[in-house]
Amino acid sequence: GDSVTQMEGPVTLSEEAFLTINCTYTATGYPSLFWYVQYPGEGLQLLLKATKADDKGSNKGFEATYRKETTSFHLEKGSVQVSDSAVYFCALGSGGGADGLTFGKGTHLIIQP
Amino acid sequence: GAVVSQHPSRVICKSGTSVKIECRSLDFQATTMFWYRQFPKQSLMLMATSNEGSKATYEQGVEKDKFLINHASLTLSTLTVTSAHPEDSSFYICSARDLAGGARGGSYNEQFFGPGTRLTVL
Repeated sequence: GDSVTQMEGPVTLSEEAFLTINCTYTATGYPSLFWYVQYPGEGLQLLLKATKADDKGSNKGFEATYRKETTSFHLEKGSVQVSDSAVYFCALGSGGGADGLTFGKGTHLIIQP
Repeated sequence: GAVVSQHPSRVICKSGTSVKIECRSLDFQATTMFWYRQFPKQSLMLMATSNEGSKATYEQGVEKDKFLINHASLTLSTLTVTSAHPEDSSFYICSARDLAGGARGGSYNEQFFGPGTRLTVL
């Protein structure tokens, strides 16, 4: 079945550091890929998504590129802020998100001032 | 953006009792809602897909008689954990799909997640 593997945390960085959170997937067909963010006490929010190979999703300075050849969707940000501290989930789904999603375990990101 | 609420946010119950969790889409209509379960330091696992006016579709390994899902309106789905046992203790999260999201300037078929319900069975 489908699965998502993402790097385990917590990941601790200083403010303005470069961020990479790795995500790889296994799926049949051509899934859509997502990054969700969960701030303390809140529900998951869609951060960005890509629906086909070589698409790049971007939002709030974060970006990720759908790499079919390496089955990856790594999340990157050039300069993180304290407010980026949260748990980040990589996920995949069919139908552009219309169906239930398969999630990774989540990566807790801690940004220190 | 669209808001999904869950009630209660946390519940503690005795073994053998039933617990109902509500998931509401507050400012949009959702013909489809999803129920997930999350164990500590684990990923969210899809339990079932809830369709308004019809029976829920359960994922393999999820007991439909244990986890009763009702989606009676376009804004409300409920998950009832029947005869709860300590192994049912978990974090339950719902999401709702906004079919009209694209028309409102959002993302077509985007799922919006509730804040989750922490269930502890003693």
